[in-house]
Amino acid sequence: GESVGLHLPTLSVQEGDNSIINCAYSNSASDYFIWYKQESGKGPQFIIDIRSNMDKRQGQRVTVLLNKTVKHLSLQIAATQPGDSAVYFCAENIKGNNRKLIWGLGTSLAVNP
Amino acid sequence: GAGVSQSPSNKVTEKGKDVELRCDPISGHTALYWYRQSLGQGLEFLIYFQGNSAPDKSGLPSDRFSAERTGGSVSTLTIQRTQQEDSAVYLCASSLGLGEETQYFGPGTRLLVL
Repeated sequence: GESVGLHLPTLSVQEGDNSIINCAYSNSASDYFIWYKQESGKGPQFIIDIRSNMDKRQGQRVTVLLNKTVKHLSLQIAATQPGDSAVYFCAENIKGNNRKLIWGLGTSLAVNP
Repeated sequence: GAGVSQSPSNKVTEKGKDVELRCDPISGHTALYWYRQSLGQGLEFLIYFQGNSAPDKSGLPSDRFSAERTGGSVSTLTIQRTQQEDSAVYLCASSLGLGEETQYFGPGTRLLVL
């Protein structure tokens, strides 16, 4: 048979490797960006955020990079673990847009033991 | 205290019936959001409440959808005359509001319309 439906981009990595998840955002007026992690059957969970006046922000094992010139956002996960397996969403907030986040489609990260 | 809670966790209904979905935000959070997530998709904004201001309903897909927030806390999303295309996970999120954008999500309600 033939499958129908949208398939999320998938990134498959080996446990212990670093992961890089990319996101292109749409609006040059966006001033705030967030990465969320969504595990199966759960709501999205906040990972890290960054404002447009910054290029880089680091958290625990995660780093977010923002390139405003090409409207590109990336999430780097160091030493990826099986528990990192999830769908990762980037979201942008357009300045003055009443704090409604605009969400990307998501990237599925699969960590192989 | 506890995070955002939603009920029911799962709901199966027949086409044409009305359903009510409940969201209890984090205590003290003035902003509350409803989203819809279809299988394998991103989040679709539905409605946003901020304090006592008029809600932003710009994301509601049709007049069959409505939401209330009583007392600035609990919110109910109502879908009237449900259709099969309403089947999705309905997610609620809350934030401190007043410029604090980080949203904290509940586990969602999985709605299946037969």
